[in-house]
Amino acid sequence: GEEVAQTPKHLVRGEGQKAKLYCAPIKGHSYVFWYQQVLKNEFKFLISFQNENVFDETGMPKERFSAKCLPNSPCSLEIQATKLEDSAVYFCASSQSEKGRRFGPGTRLTVT
Amino acid sequence: QQQVKQSPQSLIVQKGGIPIINCAYENTAFDYFPWYQQFPGKGPALLIAIRPDVSEKKEGRFTISFNKSAKQFSLHIMDSQPGDSATYFCAASFTGSARQLTFGSGTQLTVLP
Repeated sequence: GEEVAQTPKHLVRGEGQKAKLYCAPIKGHSYVFWYQQVLKNEFKFLISFQNENVFDETGMPKERFSAKCLPNSPCSLEIQATKLEDSAVYFCASSQSEKGRRFGPGTRLTVT
Repeated sequence: QQQVKQSPQSLIVQKGGIPIINCAYENTAFDYFPWYQQFPGKGPALLIAIRPDVSEKKEGRFTISFNKSAKQFSLHIMDSQPGDSATYFCAASFTGSARQLTFGSGTQLTVLP
C-alpha cells in the first residue's frame, strides 16, 4: 500500500511495564525511521534501518529502547521498563528516496 | 543542542494573508531542507524542500527562500486559506535517503476565515 501503518494507535502502560510498537513500511521502501514527538512538537530521531540492518542508532536510549526490522515482518520499537518521560507520540517513516519519505499516523504512548 | 531553530512558535493570519515562518540552522554540512505540514492526529507530510544551490523554490502557493550565507531559510504561504491551519516544521539533513531529519520546534499556524 501507499501508507505507512502503525499499530496500535494508542497504548497505555503503567510505569515499569513494557511497551511494543509496530510499523509496516510502504512496500518497496528500504529505509525505516523512528521518531519520538513530545508535547506536539520537538521530533527526536531515535533509529533508522536500511532493510533489516541498523543504519543509525545515535538517538536511541539503549538501556531501555530496542528496535528491529526483520524480513517479512512489521518493524518494531520496544521500550522495557517504561518511564513517565516516555509518554509521547512515536512516528515511523519509510522511504526509498528523500522526496518519498512518508510518515505513519503515529502511536500515542501514555505511561501512567 | 538544537541544530535547527524555528520561529515564531505560533502565527495567526487572516485568509489571503502571507504567513512567513523562519528557520536557522547551525551545521553547514546540512544540504537538504524540507518543510513538513502536520495536522492534529496525523503524521507530518512533506510540503516542499530545497537544496542550498538555489535561493528560492516555489510549488503552488508555497515558497521556500534560502540564504546560505546567513544559514537561514523560510516558508511563505501565498493566499493562505483556513485549510492551511496546521503545524509546520522545518527540517534539515545531509543528502541521502537514509539520513535522519533534524526538525525545528514547529509553528502552529491559524488562518482565520
